[in-house]
Order: sequence, then C-alpha cells, then structure tokens
Amino acid sequence: AQSVSQHNHHVILSEAASLELGCNYSYGGTVNLFWYVQYPGQHLQLLLKYFSGDPLVKGIKGFEAEFIKSKFSFNLRKPSVQWSDTAEYFCAVNAPGNTGKLIFGQGTTLQVKP
Amino acid sequence: DAGVIQSPRHEVTEMGQEVTLRCKPISGHDYLFWYRQTMMRGLELLIYFNNNVPIDDSGMPEDRFSAKMPNASFSTLKIQPSEPRDSAVYFCASTRTANTEAFFGQGTRLTVV
Repeated sequence: AQSVSQHNHHVILSEAASLELGCNYSYGGTVNLFWYVQYPGQHLQLLLKYFSGDPLVKGIKGFEAEFIKSKFSFNLRKPSVQWSDTAEYFCAVNAPGNTGKLIFGQGTTLQVKP
Repeated sequence: DAGVIQSPRHEVTEMGQEVTLRCKPISGHDYLFWYRQTMMRGLELLIYFNNNVPIDDSGMPEDRFSAKMPNASFSTLKIQPSEPRDSAVYFCASTRTANTEAFFGQGTRLTVV
C-alpha cells in the first residue's frame, strides 16, 4: 500500500541552524510530492510541491526540497531557520494513476529556540 | 474565494451523542477529502470524494462513521454514536483535479466527554 514515512518526529534547533527533514514514500510509480506546514493552532498550508522537471524545488519562506527518485525521497531543507519556523511539517504523496488519493506522513514537529 | 469552510470550529459533546461536521469545498474543486488528526496517529485520510462520489472510504475507522456529499458544494462527516476516542481535529480539504495541491479548512476540534 502507498505510504509516506517521516523519520524525524521532533526536531529542536537554534535560530540560524540548518534544517533537513526526511521524507520517504513507498510507491514505485510516478508521484506528485508535497510539503505542508501547520503553524500552532492553524490549518495546513502548502510549502512547496513537485510534479515533474527540476528535482530541486523552491517553496515559500526560503524552504526547498529535493526529489531523489532512486531513493524514493523528498527531503525538506532550509539553510537558516528562524523562530517563526516553529511548526509541524508534513510530507504528502499524491497517488499516481490519477486516482487523486493524497496520503500524508506522520509529521515532524520543529521547535526553533530563539 | 473564501477557501475551504468547515463548521463548527469546536464541538464538545457527550459520549453516545451524534456529531455532524460540515465542509464547503472551494468552488470548482472536484475532490474533497476528510482527514482526522491526533497526536498518536498523525493525519489520517478517512474518505475522499470525486465529483461527489465516494472513491475510497478505507480509512473510515468503523461503522459509526459515515460521510456524504449530496452536491458539489457541501459534505458532511457524521459520527453516531460518538466515543471519547473520537476526540481529534477533523480537517476537510479540496483539490481542483487529481494531481493538484490540496487546500485545507481550519478544522473542527471535536471533544467527546
């Protein structure tokens, strides 16, 4: 079955530290990949997405992610985090075959210390 | 567009009562999803619809849960009877097509006491 795995459940960083959050998916076919962010008490918002083309995608607020097909990975990165990046981050995979099914990972809670 | 609209934002109910959560997707979006978020299980897909038709309800936890989409602009998720373990935040999301990003509502925080 299609699944998404996020390895880090809780990450604590100091401001200006670099961030990398891992995401792996299980499906072998063509997929669309997403990272969403959920700030405390709010709904999920799209950070960035990958459909095709350049495997390095840039999103809002200085985030980027790299799609590595051979590793079934789509890791999220940011060179220098800010206190305002404190939030929960979700990786998601859209099922291939045009079924529309959208599956999320368990989420990673990022806490940035000022 | 106002985005995905969910109601109520908060619901507190007693065990055994019926609970109905409501969602209005973005106009023109063909897909609607219901998710449940808990600390233990993260964000679980319960059911999703395409053009008002349920496509996959394999995530619905048990028969106490049911969902409908009578038209393109409205969906409900009903729990009857509710139990304390149903306490969670329930999110509705919609997408324009099968392969576009999802837009989420603000969620309904359900507490069953």
